[in-house]
Amino acid sequence: GAVVSQHPSWVICKSGTSVKIECRSLDFQATTMFWYRQFPKQSLMLMATSNEGSKATYEQGVEKDKFLINHASLTLSTLTVTSAHPEDSSFYICSASGGKGYGYTFGSGTRLTVV
Amino acid sequence: GESVGLHLPTLSVQEGDNSIINCAYSNSASDYFIWYKQESGKGPQFIIDIRSNMDKRQGQRVTVLLNKTVKHLSLQIAATQPGDSAVYFCAEEPGAQKLVFGQGTRLTINP
Repeated sequence: GAVVSQHPSWVICKSGTSVKIECRSLDFQATTMFWYRQFPKQSLMLMATSNEGSKATYEQGVEKDKFLINHASLTLSTLTVTSAHPEDSSFYICSASGGKGYGYTFGSGTRLTVV
Repeated sequence: GESVGLHLPTLSVQEGDNSIINCAYSNSASDYFIWYKQESGKGPQFIIDIRSNMDKRQGQRVTVLLNKTVKHLSLQIAATQPGDSAVYFCAEEPGAQKLVFGQGTRLTINP
């Protein structure tokens, strides 16, 4: 079946630094990738949708300059949390799809802790 | 962002009993629905899906029911096992290609 690999699984960074999270589709071409954020005991909140080769579409309230998304190839999308602060600490999850009707495959998530 | 939940509702059932987890969705244009299981510290795991042209779909030990009239979705798990303990989310595809998640329910199985 479809597999999505997300790295790192956890990261601790200092306040003010930037962190990059990678999401790779291993056995299919992901025309669209999605990034979610999940706070403890809460649901997944969609942050943005990215299509290969074009700019990401951000959900309302998500700062595009803080959460930089790059989807340069059909198998890789990255999320960079810039100038991270403790309130950015969360569980970040990516999802990939081969197109409408092809379903969604989720990565295993990245636990970000900003100290 | 969309569908930010507050505190997860919980459901406790005895091992071997059937569980029913409910979900109300918001967008009448949604035409595809998925149930996910999430264990602590992991990404969501696909359980079962259903399209809007159906009202019931069965898998192994799981059944999804869709009531479009009242925008309600349910997941039935038969003969629950300890390994079924997790948080369960419904998700809807609101026309455009993206998934919006519901609030989630924490299922606890008592021995």
